[in-house]
Amino acid sequence: KAGVTQTPRYLIKTRGQQVTLSCSPISGHRSVSWYQQTPGQGLQFLFEYFSETQRNKGNFPGRFSGRQFSNSRSEMNVSTLELGDSALYLCASSLSGVSGNTIYFGEGSWLTVV
Amino acid sequence: AQSVTQLGSHVSVSEGALVLLRCNYSSSVPPYLFWYVQYPNQGLQLLLKYTTGATLVKGINGFEAEFKKSETSFHLTKPSAHMSDAAEYFCAVGYNNNDMRFGAGTRLTVKP
Repeated sequence: KAGVTQTPRYLIKTRGQQVTLSCSPISGHRSVSWYQQTPGQGLQFLFEYFSETQRNKGNFPGRFSGRQFSNSRSEMNVSTLELGDSALYLCASSLSGVSGNTIYFGEGSWLTVV
Repeated sequence: AQSVTQLGSHVSVSEGALVLLRCNYSSSVPPYLFWYVQYPNQGLQLLLKYTTGATLVKGINGFEAEFKKSETSFHLTKPSAHMSDAAEYFCAVGYNNNDMRFGAGTRLTVKP
């Protein structure tokens, strides 16, 4: 069974640009959540989607957005990139959400903003 | 406010020594508790989890953790450290509203 797949693994963007990251969950998983990991802030929850609906959102500005498709694949978008957006973005999937379910992480997308 | 505290951002042990990584949480309702490990340039891998039932939970690679409600703790232990255990470890708490909070992480170094 394939794990959580994130693309691209590495990317470099310029300030002001926008970026889209993709996540394919484990087959059968309907919940996808996104996290930002930085040395200073650690792992911070961005948002969680289930059946194409955003159920929960972390404390991030509106430049961070996401969506989920009918096949449970998810994308997150960051517009008007800032240097501080440089981070590892982790996607995780689970059957129905974090409530007692195991969530499985992808290897992440490394974003560098220059 | 709900939070997760990992005591010690860095822990160093000798190979063969006991590993103890501390995690405390604040929650008004019983949470779901997890420990994850992250190796360099990789995502997070689940070590173990507590949902209900037995408070002593055994995980992969010889790790275990005990849920102590009275102390709001979920410390991670391993009797004998291996070099391959060197990594960053994250304690996490999940709630019924699908919110999940992570601790700041503890970097474990294993000395030969």
